[in-house]
Amino acid sequence: AQKITQTQPGMFVQEKEAVTLDCTYDTSDPSYGLFWYKQPSSGEMIFLIYQGSYDQQNATEGRYSLNFQKARKSANLVISASQLGDSAMYFCAMREKNTGNQFYFGTGTSLTVIP
Amino acid sequence: NAGVTQTPKFQVLKTGQSMTLQCAQDMNHEYMSWYRQDPGMGLRLIHYSVGAGITDQGEVPNGYNVSRSTTEDFPLRLLSAAPSQTSVYFCASSSPGLAGSRGLEQYFGPGTRLTVT
Repeated sequence: AQKITQTQPGMFVQEKEAVTLDCTYDTSDPSYGLFWYKQPSSGEMIFLIYQGSYDQQNATEGRYSLNFQKARKSANLVISASQLGDSAMYFCAMREKNTGNQFYFGTGTSLTVIP
Repeated sequence: NAGVTQTPKFQVLKTGQSMTLQCAQDMNHEYMSWYRQDPGMGLRLIHYSVGAGITDQGEVPNGYNVSRSTTEDFPLRLLSAAPSQTSVYFCASSSPGLAGSRGLEQYFGPGTRLTVT
């Protein structure tokens, strides 16, 4: 079974609007961390935001927030006030204790911001 | 701090050739890993290491070897290159610790684009 599932291969959003990128995960480990990375067309991987399995509140970093629904095993990324520079691939990832702290990545969502 | 460095940035190999992709980090991270990125498949873990002298296989280890003689370096060796190994390779490092704790994000190198003909 896939550890991380991103079901949206491509998304479009109007500039200045908010967009939600979906991520679901699969683990039976109580200790895990969830991450989102951005990969612009230049290719580098940029860390955006982190949510720990024991965190009571949703993580926020500037215009990025993580909608963490533990019971549903979802960790959706919300980007508010989209900018043209947000156009990129976005990857959801999980790190869990049971598998030696390995990281698992989803297949990514390509976001295009339309002016 | 240079962070995570990878060399070379680009490489073209002929089928059957061998080569080593270099990776180094200066953040004293114990956890290092190698991924390959192919279109539509995200990042797949090849090998990882939790410290000097300790390595383990990831999801797609066949055709690749690694060693970890120092904390800083984690080279990836292609033993006999095949066209199926054409990909972009990323090295990453992070602090160890209990998953679920803060500060465990991975830092990535810039990647190596490898083409095998």
